[in-house]
Amino acid sequence: QITLKESGPTLVKPTQTLTLTCTFSGFSLSTSGEGVAWIRQPPGKALEWLALIYWDDDKRYSPSLKSRLTITKDTSKNQVVLTMTNMDPVDTATYYCAHRGDELAYDYWGQGTLVTVSS
Amino acid sequence: DIQMTQSPSTLSASVGDRVTITCRASQSINSWLAWYQQKPGKAPKLLIYQASTLESGVPSRFSGSGSGTEFTLTISSLQPDDFATYYCQQYNTFPRSFGQGTKLQIK
Repeated sequence: QITLKESGPTLVKPTQTLTLTCTFSGFSLSTSGEGVAWIRQPPGKALEWLALIYWDDDKRYSPSLKSRLTITKDTSKNQVVLTMTNMDPVDTATYYCAHRGDELAYDYWGQGTLVTVSS
Repeated sequence: DIQMTQSPSTLSASVGDRVTITCRASQSINSWLAWYQQKPGKAPKLLIYQASTLESGVPSRFSGSGSGTEFTLTISSLQPDDFATYYCQQYNTFPRSFGQGTKLQIK
């Protein structure tokens, strides 16, 4: 059974760097074909795709946020980490990590973690 | 970037109704489209992938169709549990993108 869980700060100040960790079980990011994505959702708004990391360490980013995002994996810990620099109040959102399934859609999601950006 | 546009944004319907939600892509995405259901305070749930394939465990009253740039999600007979927000997502091209959502509410 695949599970994912996001962790990190609930409150960050403007200009700070956000670091979120996705800890997962039920699959290995060293297995060919596997991938983990980050998606966010501002309160009351739509889902926004942020980044994806593959088993072979290939990484993809949202072009509009690429300069601020870094996605990494720690295969031994079954974790994926997303860092976002220069946080702004508009980055206030629930951040989700999700498993990319065999059929390429996101078949398992974490519960999400709400990050508020405020001074 | 590929833009995904859903219609309507809000849909009011009754239990037992047949409803259809449309998703249009700004360029062809072949059949690389997924539909998700999201309830308040919860993570999205995958319903359909590759435009028309039902995810395991999803009730058969849900169906998807389309290819290229136009897609539909149909619920054949609404159940109380179906009132939620629905999102389409393309995974043909990076960056991946979602529609703006369709809120299905009780009439």
